[in-house]
Amino acid sequence: DADVTQTPRNRITKTGKRIMLECSQTKGHDRMYWYRQDPGLGLQLIYYSFDVKDINKGEISDGYSVSRQAQAKFSLSLESAIPNQTALYFCATSGGGGYNEQFFGPGTRLTVL
Amino acid sequence: AQSVTQPDIHITVSEGASLELRCNYSYGATPYLFWYVQSPGQGLQLLLKYFSGDTLVQGIKGFEAEFKRSQSSFNLRKPSVHWSDAAEYFCAVGAAAGNKLTFGGGTRVLVKP
Repeated sequence: DADVTQTPRNRITKTGKRIMLECSQTKGHDRMYWYRQDPGLGLQLIYYSFDVKDINKGEISDGYSVSRQAQAKFSLSLESAIPNQTALYFCATSGGGGYNEQFFGPGTRLTVL
Repeated sequence: AQSVTQPDIHITVSEGASLELRCNYSYGATPYLFWYVQSPGQGLQLLLKYFSGDTLVQGIKGFEAEFKRSQSSFNLRKPSVHWSDAAEYFCAVGAAAGNKLTFGGGTRVLVKP
Protein backbone atom coordinates (compact mmCIF):
# COMPACT_ATOMS: atom_id res chain seq x y z
CA ASP A 1 0.00 0.00 0.00
CA ALA A 2 1.12 3.54 -0.72
CA ASP A 3 2.57 5.50 2.18
CA VAL A 4 0.85 8.75 1.19
CA THR A 5 -2.63 8.53 -0.33
CA GLN A 6 -4.85 11.24 -1.75
CA THR A 7 -8.57 11.16 -2.47
CA PRO A 8 -10.09 11.77 -4.88
CA ARG A 9 -7.54 11.30 -7.67
CA ASN A 10 -9.62 13.30 -10.11
CA ARG A 11 -12.43 15.76 -9.56
CA ILE A 12 -14.45 18.02 -11.81
CA THR A 13 -16.57 20.65 -10.13
CA LYS A 14 -18.31 23.93 -10.85
CA THR A 15 -17.50 27.48 -9.87
CA GLY A 16 -18.73 28.31 -6.39
CA LYS A 17 -18.81 24.74 -5.09
CA ARG A 18 -17.05 23.69 -1.89
CA ILE A 19 -14.44 21.01 -2.42
CA MET A 20 -12.37 18.97 0.02
CA LEU A 21 -9.25 17.06 -0.91
CA GLU A 22 -8.00 14.50 1.56
CA CYS A 23 -4.57 13.19 2.37
CA SER A 24 -3.61 10.27 4.59
CA GLN A 25 -0.20 8.89 5.46
CA THR A 26 1.11 5.76 7.13
CA LYS A 27 4.69 6.94 7.52
CA GLY A 28 4.21 8.20 11.04
CA HIS A 29 5.46 11.65 10.05
CA ASP A 30 4.55 14.75 12.01
CA ARG A 31 4.87 17.23 9.13
CA MET A 32 2.44 17.45 6.25
CA TYR A 33 2.18 19.83 3.28
CA TRP A 34 -0.18 20.80 0.49
CA TYR A 35 1.16 22.00 -2.87
CA ARG A 36 -0.41 22.92 -6.17
CA GLN A 37 1.29 22.32 -9.50
CA ASP A 38 0.71 24.49 -12.55
CA PRO A 39 2.51 24.00 -15.86
CA GLY A 40 5.79 25.93 -15.93
CA LEU A 41 5.50 27.03 -12.30
CA GLY A 42 6.61 23.91 -10.53
CA LEU A 43 4.99 23.27 -7.16
CA GLN A 44 3.86 26.07 -4.89
CA LEU A 45 3.24 25.60 -1.18
CA ILE A 46 -0.33 26.26 -0.04
CA TYR A 47 -0.28 25.24 3.64
CA TYR A 48 1.88 23.17 5.94
CA SER A 49 1.48 21.63 9.36
CA PHE A 50 4.15 20.51 11.81
CA ASP A 51 1.68 18.78 14.11
CA VAL A 52 -2.04 18.67 14.81
CA LYS A 53 -2.00 22.05 16.56
CA ASP A 54 0.46 23.82 14.27
CA ILE A 55 -0.81 25.00 10.87
CA ASN A 56 0.91 27.60 8.73
CA LYS A 57 0.19 29.45 5.51
CA GLY A 58 2.42 28.90 2.53
CA GLU A 59 3.04 31.05 -0.54
CA ILE A 60 -0.44 30.85 -2.04
CA SER A 61 -2.97 30.23 0.74
CA ASP A 62 -5.68 32.68 -0.41
CA GLY A 63 -8.86 30.81 -1.31
CA TYR A 64 -7.83 27.68 0.56
CA SER A 65 -8.18 26.33 4.09
CA VAL A 66 -6.89 23.20 5.78
CA SER A 67 -7.69 20.89 8.64
CA ARG A 68 -5.31 18.53 10.43
CA GLN A 69 -7.74 15.99 11.85
CA ALA A 70 -5.04 13.67 13.18
CA GLN A 71 -1.33 13.09 12.80
CA ALA A 72 -2.06 10.98 9.73
CA LYS A 73 -4.70 13.15 8.04
CA PHE A 74 -4.48 16.58 6.45
CA SER A 75 -7.34 17.96 4.34
CA LEU A 76 -7.40 20.87 1.92
CA SER A 77 -10.63 22.76 1.26
CA LEU A 78 -11.67 25.18 -1.41
CA GLU A 79 -14.58 27.03 0.13
CA SER A 80 -15.84 28.47 -3.15
CA ALA A 81 -13.96 27.04 -6.10
CA ILE A 82 -12.97 29.25 -9.02
CA PRO A 83 -11.59 28.27 -12.44
CA ASN A 84 -8.03 29.46 -11.73
CA GLN A 85 -7.85 26.85 -8.98
CA THR A 86 -7.81 24.21 -11.69
CA ALA A 87 -4.50 22.44 -11.04
CA LEU A 88 -2.79 19.29 -9.81
CA TYR A 89 -2.66 19.16 -6.02
CA PHE A 90 -0.05 17.22 -4.08
CA CYS A 91 0.16 16.27 -0.45
CA ALA A 92 3.57 15.56 1.09
CA THR A 93 4.93 14.44 4.46
CA SER A 94 8.26 14.60 6.21
CA GLY A 95 9.79 13.67 9.51
CA GLY A 96 10.73 16.27 12.10
CA GLY A 97 13.99 17.36 13.69
CA GLY A 98 16.22 19.11 11.21
CA TYR A 99 15.74 18.90 7.49
CA ASN A 100 14.17 15.78 6.07
CA GLU A 101 13.10 14.54 2.67
CA GLN A 102 9.48 15.12 1.72
CA PHE A 103 7.45 12.17 0.45
CA PHE A 104 4.69 12.93 -2.03
CA GLY A 105 1.29 11.44 -2.71
CA PRO A 106 0.11 10.64 -6.25
CA GLY A 107 -1.76 13.91 -6.67
CA THR A 108 -5.35 15.03 -7.22
CA ARG A 109 -6.27 16.58 -10.54
CA LEU A 110 -8.94 19.22 -9.92
CA THR A 111 -10.87 20.93 -12.69
CA VAL A 112 -13.14 23.86 -11.88
CA LEU A 113 -15.59 24.73 -14.67
CA ALA B 1 13.67 34.85 -0.38
CA GLN B 2 14.87 31.65 -1.96
CA SER B 3 14.23 30.82 -5.60
CA VAL B 4 15.06 28.15 -8.16
CA THR B 5 15.43 28.51 -11.92
CA GLN B 6 15.42 25.68 -14.39
CA PRO B 7 16.29 27.39 -17.69
CA ASP B 8 15.22 24.53 -19.97
CA ILE B 9 11.49 23.85 -20.19
CA HIS B 10 11.88 20.94 -22.59
CA ILE B 11 14.83 18.75 -23.55
CA THR B 12 14.82 16.01 -26.17
CA VAL B 13 17.56 13.43 -26.02
CA SER B 14 18.23 10.20 -27.89
CA GLU B 15 18.21 6.95 -25.98
CA GLY B 16 21.75 6.12 -24.92
CA ALA B 17 22.92 9.73 -25.08
CA SER B 18 23.97 11.73 -22.06
CA LEU B 19 21.65 14.13 -20.27
CA GLU B 20 22.29 17.28 -18.27
CA LEU B 21 19.56 19.33 -16.64
CA ARG B 22 20.40 22.77 -15.33
CA CYS B 23 19.35 24.24 -12.01
CA ASN B 24 20.30 27.60 -10.52
CA TYR B 25 19.23 28.65 -7.07
CA SER B 26 19.18 31.74 -4.93
CA TYR B 27 19.49 31.30 -1.19
CA GLY B 28 21.17 33.29 1.54
CA ALA B 29 22.78 30.44 3.45
CA THR B 30 24.05 26.95 2.75
CA PRO B 31 21.25 25.38 0.74
CA TYR B 32 19.64 22.00 0.99
CA LEU B 33 19.18 20.94 -2.65
CA PHE B 34 17.04 18.25 -4.19
CA TRP B 35 16.14 16.74 -7.52
CA TYR B 36 12.75 15.07 -7.90
CA VAL B 37 11.32 13.19 -10.88
CA GLN B 38 7.66 13.04 -11.83
CA SER B 39 6.63 10.30 -14.21
CA PRO B 40 3.32 10.71 -16.05
CA GLY B 41 0.39 10.33 -13.66
CA GLN B 42 2.66 9.85 -10.69
CA GLY B 43 3.73 11.83 -7.67
CA LEU B 44 7.25 13.12 -7.16
CA GLN B 45 10.09 10.76 -6.34
CA LEU B 46 13.35 11.92 -4.85
CA LEU B 47 16.34 11.26 -7.09
CA LEU B 48 19.05 12.73 -4.89
CA LYS B 49 19.79 15.40 -2.32
CA TYR B 50 22.67 17.57 -1.17
CA PHE B 51 23.00 18.78 2.40
CA SER B 52 26.76 19.15 2.87
CA GLY B 53 30.07 17.43 2.20
CA ASP B 54 31.06 15.96 -1.15
CA THR B 55 29.77 18.23 -3.89
CA LEU B 56 29.17 15.34 -6.29
CA VAL B 57 26.08 13.48 -5.19
CA GLN B 58 24.98 10.09 -6.44
CA GLY B 59 21.31 9.25 -6.66
CA ILE B 60 18.99 6.54 -7.80
CA LYS B 61 18.48 5.36 -11.37
CA GLY B 62 22.05 6.25 -12.34
CA PHE B 63 21.68 10.00 -11.80
CA GLU B 64 24.22 12.30 -10.22
CA ALA B 65 24.36 16.01 -9.49
CA GLU B 66 27.13 18.45 -8.75
CA PHE B 67 26.83 21.36 -6.33
CA LYS B 68 28.83 24.41 -7.40
CA ARG B 69 28.59 27.14 -4.82
CA SER B 70 30.44 29.70 -6.97
CA GLN B 71 27.87 29.29 -9.74
CA SER B 72 24.84 28.74 -7.47
CA SER B 73 24.11 25.65 -9.51
CA PHE B 74 23.07 22.06 -8.89
CA ASN B 75 22.97 20.39 -12.30
CA LEU B 76 21.67 16.88 -12.78
CA ARG B 77 23.41 14.41 -15.11
CA LYS B 78 23.04 10.92 -16.44
CA PRO B 79 25.64 9.35 -18.74
CA SER B 80 23.23 7.23 -20.79
CA VAL B 81 19.47 7.77 -20.78
CA HIS B 82 16.87 5.05 -21.07
CA TRP B 83 13.40 5.42 -22.53
CA SER B 84 12.03 5.13 -18.98
CA ASP B 85 13.79 8.38 -18.06
CA ALA B 86 11.17 10.35 -19.99
CA ALA B 87 9.54 12.42 -17.27
CA GLU B 88 9.48 15.87 -15.72
CA TYR B 89 12.33 16.79 -13.43
CA PHE B 90 12.18 19.34 -10.64
CA CYS B 91 15.00 20.98 -8.76
CA ALA B 92 14.19 22.30 -5.29
CA VAL B 93 15.91 24.23 -2.53
CA GLY B 94 15.00 23.70 1.10
CA ALA B 95 14.97 26.20 3.91
CA ALA B 96 16.11 24.77 7.21
CA ALA B 97 13.59 26.92 9.00
CA GLY B 98 10.24 25.32 8.42
CA ASN B 99 11.46 22.43 6.31
CA LYS B 100 9.85 24.08 3.27
CA LEU B 101 10.78 23.44 -0.33
CA THR B 102 10.89 25.96 -3.16
CA PHE B 103 10.64 24.33 -6.57
CA GLY B 104 11.84 25.31 -10.00
CA GLY B 105 9.43 25.29 -12.92
CA GLY B 106 10.52 21.85 -14.08
CA THR B 107 12.19 20.43 -17.19
CA ARG B 108 10.31 17.92 -19.31
CA VAL B 109 12.57 15.30 -20.85
CA LEU B 110 11.58 13.46 -23.99
CA VAL B 111 13.60 10.41 -25.06
CA LYS B 112 13.85 9.53 -28.74
CA PRO B 113 14.36 5.89 -29.71
